[in-house]
Amino acid sequence: GQQLNQSPQSMFIQEGEDVSMNCTSSSIFNTWLWYKQDPGEGPVLLIALYKAGELTSNGRLTAQFGITRKDSFLNISASIPSDVGIYFCAGQLHRDDKIIFGKGTRLHILP
Amino acid sequence: DAGVTQSPTHLIKTRGQQVTLRCSPKSGHDTVSWYQQALGQGPQFIFQYYEEEERQRGNFPDRFSGHQFPNYSSELNVNALLLGDSALYLCATRRGRETQYFGPGTRLLVL
Repeated sequence: GQQLNQSPQSMFIQEGEDVSMNCTSSSIFNTWLWYKQDPGEGPVLLIALYKAGELTSNGRLTAQFGITRKDSFLNISASIPSDVGIYFCAGQLHRDDKIIFGKGTRLHILP
Repeated sequence: DAGVTQSPTHLIKTRGQQVTLRCSPKSGHDTVSWYQQALGQGPQFIFQYYEEEERQRGNFPDRFSGHQFPNYSSELNVNALLLGDSALYLCATRRGRETQYFGPGTRLLVL
């Protein structure tokens, strides 16, 4: 079945640093999604990408849909304490299809 | 406008028991999906309900069943609980092919 490989598994950074994480798939997706999950809550959608090559920003977040349809990355600029959490990449073959999630990247910000 | 709500928030059961989890969709949403999130993992798709019927199913055994009511709310039932069923169970709802929103989840512990 479809699998998503997300890296890195965890990151320890200083406040103000930029962050980059990525996701690769064994098969193509037509939609790439990036979520953030805080403790005790469900995932919250950050960015949705619908076209190969698409680059989309949401405030300090930027994500790209890879040309091959098998990868995506998420960048966070000038990190702040509230960026701490788990970031998941996810893919869909069709808009009404199930969502396949990666295992997550845990972001820690050092004091 | 209430978002996706789930009940109960936490639940403790013993092996062999049965459990029912509930989900109320965001206003206007008609499609409900259920996901299982084991500790340290990304959510895994269980099944999706639309028009009171199961439309898609992930790789979960028949012990996992569901129901959708005319008001679009949904239940997830798990029979013959195993220790490995301990997880956060997430409900996600959407309208048509629009963005899916996750609830806060029900944390199930099987002893």
